[in-house]
Amino acid sequence: DSGVTQTPKHLITATGQRVTLRCSPRSGDLSVYWYQQSLDQGLQFLIQYYNGEERAKGNILERFSAQQFPDLHSELNLSSLELGDSALYFCASSVNSANQPQHFGDGTRLSIL
Amino acid sequence: GQQLNQSPQSMFIQEGEDVSMNCTSSSIFNTWLWYKQDPGEGPVLLIALYKAGELTSNGRLTAQFGITRKDSFLNISASIPSDVGIYFCAGQLANQGGKLIFGQGTELSVKP
Repeated sequence: DSGVTQTPKHLITATGQRVTLRCSPRSGDLSVYWYQQSLDQGLQFLIQYYNGEERAKGNILERFSAQQFPDLHSELNLSSLELGDSALYFCASSVNSANQPQHFGDGTRLSIL
Repeated sequence: GQQLNQSPQSMFIQEGEDVSMNCTSSSIFNTWLWYKQDPGEGPVLLIALYKAGELTSNGRLTAQFGITRKDSFLNISASIPSDVGIYFCAGQLANQGGKLIFGQGTELSVKP
């Protein structure tokens, strides 16, 4: 158990819809990261928050947004969903921002029908 | 963008054999991490490396941070069936926060 909790585990929805994925970091970790894993792209970094503020951004689509709340949990919002958004979405956390090991949750599997 | 080339893509070995996999890049990394992912689960951290030349072990696993800071390898000695899974290398570049760049993964199969 990594200590990183992601909900829901599975999500099935339709094109055009909006979903919210939730992540609770390990106790004491200030940084939260979101990654997308798909068969063709592998594991891709989306965005990082550190103590409530955005710290780094990857190739995150404009239809996607995230935030980190005062209690340090984070949410990833995906809107106007397309078939290609079907993937595993992972959250990871670390104590600080850089040069720290990142521990991953078990992911949310998003299926777009 | 930055890429990590991980090889081999897959390995089929006999229980008890040693395994070696590596990652290379054209970019210089500050940190190298090795993860293992089992089906339906998230990547689990195996070893973290922070200095060029660093050699670190975790049980039967040994990993090294290359001197040039552009590569890393992971060795597994005396493999056992529970070593089956996908192994990923990941690196962090300087001045990019905590962003991890992942290799494509090495799928390991162990025959008892």
